[in-house]
Amino acid sequence: GNSVTQMEGPVTLSEEAFLTINCTYTATGYPSLFWYVQYPGEGLQLLLKATKADDKGSNKGFEATYRKETTSFHLEKGSVQVSDSAVYFCALIFTGGFKTIFGAGTRLFVKA
Amino acid sequence: SQTIHQWPATLVQPVGSPLSLECTVEGTSNPNLYWYRQAAGRGLQLLFYSVGIGQISSEVPQNLSASRPQDRQFILSSKKLLLSDSGFYLCAWRPPLAKPYEQYFGPGTRLTVT
Repeated sequence: GNSVTQMEGPVTLSEEAFLTINCTYTATGYPSLFWYVQYPGEGLQLLLKATKADDKGSNKGFEATYRKETTSFHLEKGSVQVSDSAVYFCALIFTGGFKTIFGAGTRLFVKA
Repeated sequence: SQTIHQWPATLVQPVGSPLSLECTVEGTSNPNLYWYRQAAGRGLQLLFYSVGIGQISSEVPQNLSASRPQDRQFILSSKKLLLSDSGFYLCAWRPPLAKPYEQYFGPGTRLTVT
């Protein structure tokens, strides 16, 4: 079946460190891919998206590239801030689909 | 612009009591609507989704139910709460046809069953 696997957290980094959160997916077709972010006590917000292979989504210094050959969509940021502390969810959906498939989430802590 | 509201923001209820959580969306028509639950430190669990008034699909058999009495209103209910119903409940919507189908989430309701 279709699924999303994220690296387990928590990930703890110092401010200005480089961030990578791995995400791989299993899918029978070519889904659209997303990263959502959830700040403490809030709902999820769309962070970035990519709809086809080799697309790069980017927002707020974060970026992720849709890699069909490795079925991956890793999230990266060159220099994290304390305010980036949150839970990050990788997700996929197929064209015409009703349900988004979410990964388990990866908690990020950034220390000052 | 579109906005999504959930209420209440926080709720403490005793075991065996009823539950009603409400979600409304403004600024769009015929949205797809979703209820998720997030247990402490866990991921998202899809509970129900709806593609139209009166059309509800259940993902997990449990003591919860959902209704969509109006186009932009989605209600999550229970007749008798269990301790295991505690969690963070999130409502979400998305446009029915617009790709790439990203979802927009409400602020959530924190439910504690005591």
